[in-house]
Amino acid sequence: RKEVEQDPGPFNVPEGATVAFNCTYSNSASQSFFWYRQDCRKEPKLLMSVYSSGNEDGRFTAQLNRASQYISLLIRDSKLSDSATYLCVVNPRGPSGTYKYIFGTGTRLKVLA
Amino acid sequence: DGGITQSPKYLFRKEGQNVTLSCEQNLNHDAMYWYRQDPGQGLRLIYYSQIVNDFQKGDIAEGYSVSREKKESFPLTVTSAQKNPTAFYLCASILQGGTGELFFGEGSRLTVL
Repeated sequence: RKEVEQDPGPFNVPEGATVAFNCTYSNSASQSFFWYRQDCRKEPKLLMSVYSSGNEDGRFTAQLNRASQYISLLIRDSKLSDSATYLCVVNPRGPSGTYKYIFGTGTRLKVLA
Repeated sequence: DGGITQSPKYLFRKEGQNVTLSCEQNLNHDAMYWYRQDPGQGLRLIYYSQIVNDFQKGDIAEGYSVSREKKESFPLTVTSAQKNPTAFYLCASILQGGTGELFFGEGSRLTVL
C-alpha cells in the first residue's frame, strides 16, 4: 500500500459545480497535512494546510479524519482557473523532527465551460 | 523578494555526462530538499539537508549527489550512474519550526539525449 494515495482522475466538472477529492495515508502517526496545487509543468504551490478541526478558505474547505486516515478537499463553485492537479502532502514528522514530506500522485481536475 | 531560484530551467545532456542543477534560496530557511517528478507520478525525495554540511539520502538517491556548504545553496549533481535521469527536478526549502509550508523553486527540466 502506498503511503499516500489519491485518485488520479481526471475529474471533469462543469463550471459552478462542487467537487471533492479524498486522500488516504497509511502512517497513523502523521502530524501535518497539506493540499498543494500544481499547474501543468509548473512547481507545486501551497493551497492550504489541513487542521484537525477542518478549515475553510473562500471556496475551498479541507477536512481531516484521523480515525479513518484520510483528508479531503472540497471546491465549491468551480472556476475554469481551478483546473490543475491537486497534490495531497503528509508529514510523518520522523525522528528529531525531520521534515520528510510524502506526496500523493495528485488528482487532476478539469473545469469545463 | 525572497524565494528559491533554480537554474537552468531546461537542460539537455548526452548520456554519460554529469550535470549539476543549482538551487539558491534567500528565505533564510534551514532545510532544503531535492525532489524528482515523472509524468503521472508524485514527487519523490532524492536528498534533503537540515543544516549546513549535513545531508541525508531520500528514497531515490542512487545516481545523485549533493553538497550543502552554505545555508543558501543546495546543488544537485545528476551523475552518469543515474539510469533514467530525464525528469522534472524540484528544489524546496522550509523554515524549521515554522508553519510547515514547503516553498518550491520553478524547477529544472532535464532531458537526456
